[in-house]
Amino acid sequence: EDQVTQSPEALRLQEGESSSLNCSYTVSGLRGLFWYRQDPGKGPEFLFTLYSAGEEKEKERLKATLTKKESFLHITAPKPEDSATYLCAVQNDYKLSFGAGTTVTVRA
Amino acid sequence: EAQVTQNPRYLITVTGKKLTVTCSQNMNHEYMSWYRQDPGLGLRQIYYSMNVEVTDKGDVPEGYKVSRKEKRNFPLILESPSPNQTSLYFCASSPYGPDNTYEQYFGPGTRLTVT
Repeated sequence: EDQVTQSPEALRLQEGESSSLNCSYTVSGLRGLFWYRQDPGKGPEFLFTLYSAGEEKEKERLKATLTKKESFLHITAPKPEDSATYLCAVQNDYKLSFGAGTTVTVRA
Repeated sequence: EAQVTQNPRYLITVTGKKLTVTCSQNMNHEYMSWYRQDPGLGLRQIYYSMNVEVTDKGDVPEGYKVSRKEKRNFPLILESPSPNQTSLYFCASSPYGPDNTYEQYFGPGTRLTVT
């Protein structure tokens, strides 16, 4: 069975204080690893897809990286508007499995 | 506007009363899926559909039914709801990406309470 574990569960940051979120996964055949952002009361919003180990993608203050066992989402110099829950998911064939998420709070 | 819509957004019902949550997308996406989100458990896939008339079970299909008669619609049916199906439900759709990956667009969610 595919498994996705995210850590930490919650992260409180000062504005400008960079940090990383971890997503560890076990999957029999990885087609892609996804990162989403979810704001309270809303549906998840797609951020990145990573396809193979060594791949990196960036969007504004976010950078996602992938190894054979885990992915990291680096938040550089975060701002209060980066506060959200970040979800990681893996796709095996046609099925997707999500982690429980990391809730990030950025204080001004 | 490209979007996934769900109705109703909020629903309170009683045990055993059949209900349907509708999902519609206007992006001509092939892939659609239903999830439930519970505190501490994250999003769990209920059912997915690769195309019209093609559906398959996700990780938590028990107590749910789906149908895909048209590309744009993917309703979720609870024939006999029970309190353990109280949850936040999301519908999502996706085009086929590289290597048939699914970058999903999510609807706004339906909060269901079964008493």
